Amino acid sequence: QSALTQPASVSGSPGQSITISCTGTSSDVGDYKYVSWYQQHPGKAPKLMIYEVSNRPSGISNRFSGSKSGNTASLTISGLQAEDEADYFCSSYTSSSFAVFGGGTKLTVL
Amino acid sequence: QVQLQQSGPGLVKPSQTLSLTCAISGDSVSSNTAAWNWIRQSPSRGLEWLGRTYYRSKWYNDYAVSVKSRITINPDTSKNQFSLQLNSVTPEDTALYYCAAGRLNTFDIWGQGTMVTVSS
Repeated sequence: QSALTQPASVSGSPGQSITISCTGTSSDVGDYKYVSWYQQHPGKAPKLMIYEVSNRPSGISNRFSGSKSGNTASLTISGLQAEDEADYFCSSYTSSSFAVFGGGTKLTVL
Repeated sequence: QVQLQQSGPGLVKPSQTLSLTCAISGDSVSSNTAAWNWIRQSPSRGLEWLGRTYYRSKWYNDYAVSVKSRITINPDTSKNQFSLQLNSVTPEDTALYYCAAGRLNTFDIWGQGTMVTVSS
């Protein structure tokens, strides 16, 4: 069982917005700003989309945004596009084991 | 642009040692701002961070509690690469193994992945 809890799947139509949640505890998500989000297409390595809760690496579309409230972090994708269909994983720093991941959320673009 | 190239066997026998190498281009393993990680992915365990090595005036290593007794991650400054050794493997160690580079708390760049199967 993964340390961080994500919904197994979410879906949305092109142009819509979706939000993926990532729930941890006060020992990880709730206590640190080091929450990251990764996109993984089938057969590919994960790709960093958001770091430190809400920062986008260079080259990542501003359609991707991140936030955090208490022990839950969120990834929002606006203006959904077909190419956004992928698995999304969150991760957080944790004092006990340095890094933990969520179980992943499969995004389907209808 | 940092790139990581993984190498190593895809099949390891139970009780033996899993060894993988990650060659770095575009940065130095001795960088004072980067950390060099190993992460694995399997259907049963999902993504699992295994450990990291990094240089901040001296070398540091951090390991996941789940593998701490069996893992070693070493930098190789002469070849600008880092390696993973996981001892006493069992079929539960079968997974897709990634090396990843980033700051201390992010994984900015990932290797291509190596599928490792533990089987006799």
